[in-house]
Amino acid sequence: NAGVTQTPKFQVLKTGQSMTLQCAQDMNHNSMYWYRQDPGMGLRLIYYSASEGTTDKGEVPNGYNVSRLNKREFSLRLESAAPSQTSVYFCASRLGTRSYTFGSGTRLTVV
Amino acid sequence: AQSVTQLGSHVSVSEGALVLLRCNYSSSVPPYLFWYVQYPNQGLQLLLKYTTGATLVKGINGFEAEFKKSETSFHLTKPSAHMSDAAEYFCAVSDPGNTDKLIFGTGTRLQVFP
Repeated sequence: NAGVTQTPKFQVLKTGQSMTLQCAQDMNHNSMYWYRQDPGMGLRLIYYSASEGTTDKGEVPNGYNVSRLNKREFSLRLESAAPSQTSVYFCASRLGTRSYTFGSGTRLTVV
Repeated sequence: AQSVTQLGSHVSVSEGALVLLRCNYSSSVPPYLFWYVQYPNQGLQLLLKYTTGATLVKGINGFEAEFKKSETSFHLTKPSAHMSDAAEYFCAVSDPGNTDKLIFGTGTRLQVFP
């Protein structure tokens, strides 16, 4: 099925560990996004990529890095995980002015 | 800067009652507006969107929303709630001139009682 695929679905990290969240879309969308969702705070934009080869900071970029590997893939890296990064992470993609398509999320716990 | 305010983090209704979820936005330009629904442990699904044209927008599952520029509002309604409507609902706004950022409200959790 066409859509946005996120891996892994669940992850537990120890403080200071690193990891990369993977996101891939097969809809030929230009723009891709990473959001985090925390209770009572809605979804907040971490980073986005308007097109292949470009990335920009969103509302809460500190502690994260991203890579737009190609048009399909947009990864989010935590270099040194902190408990404050415990959250549910959503990747999304979009073509032009059309609606965003979201992945099913990655639930990350940092202990 | 754009922003979205959702009034009421929790709304409870009886099955068959009217559902009204409130959303007000702040934007310096006519915005694009969206409502998304999130069922437990799932991603976000688009309910409806307003870009241009008719201000009353109909979405999936019997929901609709009306863009009122004078009130800077985009409230979500459904005439008769169903148990399956229980979920979290998010209002979001983007700038047509800078469509790369979708700004979300903090969400409203809808409970439906039998």
